[in-house]
Amino acid sequence: GAVVSQHPSWVICKSGTSVKIECRSLDFQATTMFWYRQFPKQSLMLMATSNEGSKATYEQGVEKDKFLINHASLTLSTLTVTSAHPEDSSFYICSARGGYRKRAPQHFGDGTRLSIL
Amino acid sequence: KNEVEQSPQNLTAQEGEFITINCSYSVGISALHWLQQHPGGGIVSLFMLSSGKKKHGRLIATINIQEKHSSLHITASHPRDSAVYICAVVNYGGSQGNLIFGKGTKLSVKP
Repeated sequence: GAVVSQHPSWVICKSGTSVKIECRSLDFQATTMFWYRQFPKQSLMLMATSNEGSKATYEQGVEKDKFLINHASLTLSTLTVTSAHPEDSSFYICSARGGYRKRAPQHFGDGTRLSIL
Repeated sequence: KNEVEQSPQNLTAQEGEFITINCSYSVGISALHWLQQHPGGGIVSLFMLSSGKKKHGRLIATINIQEKHSSLHITASHPRDSAVYICAVVNYGGSQGNLIFGKGTKLSVKP
């Protein structure tokens, strides 16, 4: 089946640090990638949607200047948490979809657990 | 009220038991996913369905579009089935086809 690689799997860093998370589709071209966030005991929540070569579309309440998303190629999207603070500690996970059909399957990375001290 | 509701939130079963997890949704959808999330956080897609029923090994997923309800069944449950099971819908009204997730059902199967 389709494989999505997400890296790193966990990060612990000091407040004020910027953290970059990578999401790669290994065996298909991901025209659309989604970034989700999950706080403890909560549902996964969509942060932003990125289409290759376009600016990301952010959900209401998600600061685009804080969570920088780049989807420069059909196999790679990155999420950079700039000047991270303890409240940004969460589980971040990407999913990738080939093609533009809304019903095309999404394939998930293994997630990144981010802890800001 | 959440757009996607799952029940139960937690479920403990003995090995071999038949398990049912339910999902109700209130938005128009084009498809519904059942996902499995293991303790480390990684997510695996079990099923994507838009009508009827699908079966894969010991797992069966059904959906009733008119009633806006789906169920995931596990036959002959095993301790390795212990995980969080998440129902997620492809929002028909969403411009990009993003998923809306339920809160998940934490399943523990005891040997």
